[in-house]
Amino acid sequence: QKEVEQDPGPLSVPEGAIVSLNCTYSNSAFQYFMWYRQYSRKGPELLMYTYSSGNKEDGRFTAQVDKSSKYISLFIRDSQPSDSATYLCATLDSNYQLIWGAGTKLIIKP
Amino acid sequence: ETGVTQTPRHLVMGMTNKKSLKCEQHLGHNAMYWYKQSAKKPLELMFVYNFKEQTENNSVPSRFSPECPNSSHLFLHLHTLQPEDSALYLCASSTRTGAFGGYTFGSGTRLTVV
Repeated sequence: QKEVEQDPGPLSVPEGAIVSLNCTYSNSAFQYFMWYRQYSRKGPELLMYTYSSGNKEDGRFTAQVDKSSKYISLFIRDSQPSDSATYLCATLDSNYQLIWGAGTKLIIKP
Repeated sequence: ETGVTQTPRHLVMGMTNKKSLKCEQHLGHNAMYWYKQSAKKPLELMFVYNFKEQTENNSVPSRFSPECPNSSHLFLHLHTLQPEDSALYLCASSTRTGAFGGYTFGSGTRLTVV
């Protein structure tokens, strides 16, 4: 079993829709969770990070962690074509090394 | 530019060639990383350097040889690669190892082995 599971997609939605991107993880000891965004022909860039459970909001983006179900989510409101990218979830192991999901390719259709 | 510069952006090499990838960061970071990114797979950590010292080698084949002459520069020397080594190779840096959330990535080198 992979430590972090993420559906690679692609996920295609119309402009203005609410997008939900999700990951599951296997180790209940994981505490820090991150979302990176990777545009085509670019490296990943940190979008948001959260600690433990709960929500964190930044503009149109909301990161959510449900530790009881080992599920992390990223919601994008009022999605724009410029949000089209690959979104990678990640967490930190006990050695503070990043463990990555495979990334979900998101396509926002105008 | 993100502050981490990788060259070349694209590289095509034969299995008998020797080539090098270069990474440079101007962020004052002390930790640098090499990652391999293949389609629909998680990022694979290859090497970690902290204050120029290699602190991690994730069972990477010897045909990949890293070099870190100082905290700002990182190289990945390649020789006798295999077609399955074709991938995007990403360099990243952080203030120190274990600095969660603080990784800055370069744009990567797209490597094709023929």
